[in-house]
Amino acid sequence: DQQVKQNSPSLSVQEGRISILNCDYTNSMFDYFLWYKKYPAEGPTFLISISSIKDKNEDGRFTVFLNKSAKHLSLHIVPSQPGDSAVYFCAASPTGGFKTIFGAGTRLFVKA
Amino acid sequence: EAGVTQSPTHLIKTRGQQATLRCSPISGHTSVYWYQQALGLGLQFLLWYDEGEERNRGNFPPRFSGRQFPNYSSELNVNALELEDSALYLCASRETGGGYGYTFGSGTRLTVV
Repeated sequence: DQQVKQNSPSLSVQEGRISILNCDYTNSMFDYFLWYKKYPAEGPTFLISISSIKDKNEDGRFTVFLNKSAKHLSLHIVPSQPGDSAVYFCAASPTGGFKTIFGAGTRLFVKA
Repeated sequence: EAGVTQSPTHLIKTRGQQATLRCSPISGHTSVYWYQQALGLGLQFLLWYDEGEERNRGNFPPRFSGRQFPNYSSELNVNALELEDSALYLCASRETGGGYGYTFGSGTRLTVV
């Protein structure tokens, strides 16, 4: 039972354009959502997060949007850069962050 | 500050053998999490240790076990290895009572032949 779903295994975007990565979740107990980025041969690194009491969080080129009623969140990267090419994992956690559930990941390719 | 370190980087074992993977958390972090990343399946939660105790485990058989030592380092043991145990095993740490974000190590690539 996948509680966090990333339905797009991969996404290709031109440099300078917007990248939109999507994520859906099923568990209403999740109240904190995170995005991680992973390069080959490295562990995932924390990118940006959002609490369920917010619908948007922005950090530089990265913005995460949360639609609680639809149980959907998205990560926007504007403008996309070739260095953004990586696997992006969506993650969700109940209160306390004791057991974070990850999606399967979306591989982003940013073409120069 | 040293990050989360995992050893070995790569491990090749034969089916039926046992594998031991090690993790050293960031200094001051008392919680250690283990995740399995099998091909195409994302990160599957395995185990959570905090203050030397197992706090939670994911949907994995009992042959996946581990422990946390007094210095908060941790060990993951996989007994009776099966071919489908081949995966990247990631360890992450977090301060007790800290934020929601984890710091991951680079992982141990386990190959079962």
